[in-house]
This record gives sequence, C-alpha cells and structure tokens, in this order.
Amino acid sequence: DSGVTQTPKHLITATGQRVTLRCSPRSGDLSVYWYQQSLDQGLQFLIQYYNGEERAKGNILERFSAQQFPDLHSELNLSSLELGDSALYFCASSVAWVRSTGELFFGEGSRLTVL
Amino acid sequence: LAKTTQPISMDSYEGQEVNITCSHNNIATNDYITWYQQFPSQGPRFIIQGYKTKVTNEVASLFIPADRKSSTLSLPRVSLSDTAVYYCLVADSGNTPLVFGKGTRLSVIA
Repeated sequence: DSGVTQTPKHLITATGQRVTLRCSPRSGDLSVYWYQQSLDQGLQFLIQYYNGEERAKGNILERFSAQQFPDLHSELNLSSLELGDSALYFCASSVAWVRSTGELFFGEGSRLTVL
Repeated sequence: LAKTTQPISMDSYEGQEVNITCSHNNIATNDYITWYQQFPSQGPRFIIQGYKTKVTNEVASLFIPADRKSSTLSLPRVSLSDTAVYYCLVADSGNTPLVFGKGTRLSVIA
C-alpha cells in the first residue's frame, strides 16, 4: 500500500460525458502528479501540483483540468469524453517540490472506460 | 530531459539473475537514474535510484559506469512474481516531472 488513494477504481461512461477522478496523497506529501496510461502510449505525464499550485504541465488536453485543494487532495476533471480517453489514470505524490530522492508514490489508478 | 532507451522485452527462467540495461547518452550532470517496477493494473513502484557506481538495496542492484551514459538494473534470482514492466528514468532532483518511456517487459518463466 503506497498510501495514495484514488477513487473511483473503475468508471464506465459514455462519449461526451464528464467525469471527476479523485486522489488523496500520502500523509505529508505536498506534490501530486497525474499520469495517463493507455495500452499503446505507456505512462504519459499530465500535470503536477504542489501545495495547491500548478507546477508543471505535460501532455494534458484542453478538455482535461485538475486542481489541488487546501487539504491537498486533487481532482482530475475529464470532459467531452472520447473513446480514446479510455485509460488508466494514476495519481502519484511526493513529499516536496524538490524531489531529492526521485521517488514518487503511485496510487492503484482509476480505470476509465468510455463507450 | 535525457532520453532513455531500454529493451522492449526480456524473458528469464526462475532463479536466474536478470540484467536490464538502459542507455541514456544525453544524461546531464545533475541527473539521477531511477528505476520503477509496474505490475499489471497497478501503479509503478520505486525500486532503486543511483547517481554513479553501484547502489544495492534489498530488491536490486544498480550499476552505473563512470561515463553514466548507461545503467544496468540487476535482479538477483528472479521469481515468477518479478514478472512486470521495468522503467528506467533519468531526471534531475529538481521539479522535473518524471517521464516514463515504454519500459522493459520482463517475463519470468517457471
């Protein structure tokens, strides 16, 4: 158990819909990262937050948005869903902005299926 | 960000030592080398990290030559439960998000 909690574990929805994925980082971790993993793309970095502020942005679509709340949990919002958005979405956390050890702790992921 | 190259897949028998080599020719002075392990439908898990020479922990060893342009993850006496994807990453200790490639799919055969 990494200490990172993601909900829901599974989600099935239709094209055009909007979903919200939630992540609670490890106790004490201030940084939250979101990754997308689909079969043919591997793990793709989406976005990072540190203590409520956006710190880095990767290959995140404009239809996707995220935020980190004062209690440090984070939400990833996916809208106007397309079939290609079906993937595993992972949240990871680390203790600080500066990753002196390079270690990220990953949750078990949220599997999104868009029909 | 330094790009890494590692084999797409490897097979091994139980009990053997497995060495997975990763090339990172453009590694920068401040970059660390980190390896993660991922089982199907689970999030990646940190295995080991090093900067130079050799690092060993209870799970694996990491060998890094003096020029640091490659690294080798060594898994001693693998078992079926070591079947997973192994990712080699290179990043500095600052706020550079970790970029995962396709990794090496290790299959351990009985």
